[in-house]
Order: sequence, then C-alpha cells, then structure tokens
Amino acid sequence: DAGVIQSPRHEVTEMGQEVTLRCKPISGHDYLFWYRQTMMRGLELLIYFNNNVPIDDSGMPEDRFSAKMPNASFSTLKIQPSEPRDSAVYFCASSLTGGETQYFGPGTRLLVL
Amino acid sequence: SQQGEEDPQALSIQEGENATMNCSYKTSINNLQWYRQNSGRGLVHLILIRSNEREKHSGRLRVTLDTSKKSSSLLITASRAADTASYFCATGTNQAGTALIFGKGTTLSVSS
Repeated sequence: DAGVIQSPRHEVTEMGQEVTLRCKPISGHDYLFWYRQTMMRGLELLIYFNNNVPIDDSGMPEDRFSAKMPNASFSTLKIQPSEPRDSAVYFCASSLTGGETQYFGPGTRLLVL
Repeated sequence: SQQGEEDPQALSIQEGENATMNCSYKTSINNLQWYRQNSGRGLVHLILIRSNEREKHSGRLRVTLDTSKKSSSLLITASRAADTASYFCATGTNQAGTALIFGKGTTLSVSS
C-alpha cells in the first residue's frame, strides 16, 4: 500500500485566497483524521471521520475551515478565506478504528502571505 | 483536550547513551502508543502497549505502562544520531467513535 497520500505537499498563497488540501487514506481504513501542527500550538486535531461521516469537528478553528469526505478514498480540508495565522503543516491520518494505530501522511506545508 | 503529557520537553544526549521519555495521562485507556516525528515529516507509529500489558519491547525500544500511576515510559537504548526526532505519546480508548489523544512531545537530540 502507498500509505496515506496528501496533496499538495507545499502551498503558498495570499491572504484571502481559498486553499484546498487533499487526502487519500489507506484503503480499508474506516477513520480519517485532519491535524494541524505549529510550533506554538503543537499538534491539534481538527476533525475526524468514521465511514465518511464527520464525528467530531470541535477542533476546527472557525467557520473559515470546512472538511468533507465524499467517499472512502478521498477527503478535503478547505480554508476560505485563508489568513496568515493559518500557516502551518496540515496532516491527514487514517486508522482501522478510532483508538488504534494511526498512519500519517507526509503533510501539506501551508504558507499564507 | 490534552491527555498525555510528555516529560521532559527536550532531551540532549550523546550517541550510545540511553534516552528515557515519560508520559502521563488522566483518564482510563485501552492502549497507549508512541510515535516518532522526524523534522519536516509525518508522525510514524513506533509501538503500542495495551492497558493489560506492563512492558513491551521492539528492537532498541522498551515501553512500560503503569495504569495505577497513569504513566508510561519510552526507553531508547544505545541511541544513534538517527534517533534525533520528536517523540509523542498518544492514548486510545475502546469507545466507539473516539480518537487518539496526543501529547505535546519530547524533542530528542542525539549528538555524535
């Protein structure tokens, strides 16, 4: 298996622009997680899905952030409009069950100017 | 909410020395996991220990779990420069629909 795939790997955009991050989980995994990591705040869980259904989005910072999982093999995290404070590394991870081993993607490094 | 807290926050050692990192948590768990993150990379799962286990080994890694103290330790023996990374503990429950809760991590620096 190729592991969790994220795209793009790097994204540089200007404040106010829409940003879409993409994730393909490991086939057969029922859970998908989106994290954000910064030096200041560490690793933060934004939202996670079980069988394509959002279970907990309490970590989503504000309404500018939205996430979807239209099918078992694809998820998006969208920021609209983006702000400089959104600059971070965004990770996607998947697992067979919620409380078991998670497999992380390589991350998307986002810079909002 | 932060469940696991690693200690120390940072650790610097020489190659060949052992490195010990600790993790404390607050609520009942089904398992505790340790992950490693190299600079600029995603987290990689190292080892999982279940609540009914007390000790587990994997290569140069040794993990202990004390559920009465709600704590775990990760020991890396005979460290190498390649072990330089951040190490995170994460706790999981067996409740349906829950997610792992990660600590803030310990940054390990191994110098040659």
